[in-house]
Amino acid sequence: EDKVVQSPLSLVVHEGDTVTLNCSYEVTNFRSLLWYKQEKKAPTFLFMLTSSGIEKKSGRLSSILDKKELFSILNITATQTGDSAIYLCAVTTSGTYKYIFGTGTRLKVLA
Amino acid sequence: NAGVTQTPKFRVLKTGQSMTLLCAQDMNHEYMYWYRQDPGMGLRLIHYSVGEGTTAKGEVPDGYNVSRLKKQNFLLGLESAAPSQTSVYFCASRPRTATGELFFGEGSRLTVL
Repeated sequence: EDKVVQSPLSLVVHEGDTVTLNCSYEVTNFRSLLWYKQEKKAPTFLFMLTSSGIEKKSGRLSSILDKKELFSILNITATQTGDSAIYLCAVTTSGTYKYIFGTGTRLKVLA
Repeated sequence: NAGVTQTPKFRVLKTGQSMTLLCAQDMNHEYMYWYRQDPGMGLRLIHYSVGEGTTAKGEVPDGYNVSRLKKQNFLLGLESAAPSQTSVYFCASRPRTATGELFFGEGSRLTVL
């Protein structure tokens, strides 16, 4: 059965800290891995990763994929209170239309 | 741009009542999805559709039905609501030709008493 696991489940940090969120997967015919940020309502897209070792970066957020060890990390540097959210990881596989989501990591950044 | 719109945003039902959630997208997307989100469970796929007139079961389809009579609309029905269906429901869509991001609606919070 295809599975996506995120860790930690929740995390509390102070503004200015750097955090690393993890997403590991066990799927057949991996195609891509996506990261989303969910504040109060709809998840918003952050990154899509398909190749190992190529970092995607947007401001203070960055992500990388390791297809050999079957995981991805999402880094947030110099955290701000506005980074408080649930971060979701999803994996797609070839031959299906499905997106398999992890349970999410709830991040709280304290001022 | 409206994107993906869900109605209603909130609803309270009694056990055994029926209701329909409507998802409408104005991006001409072929693929549409219904997910439910529960605390500690992430997003779980209920049903999805790869085109007008076609639907398929996801991970947790029991107790739900769907229809895709028009390309822009994807309806999720509960024929006889149960307290276990209390959840936040998200609709999402994406174009057939892209393998990237899903575009989400803002969610519908359903409470079944």
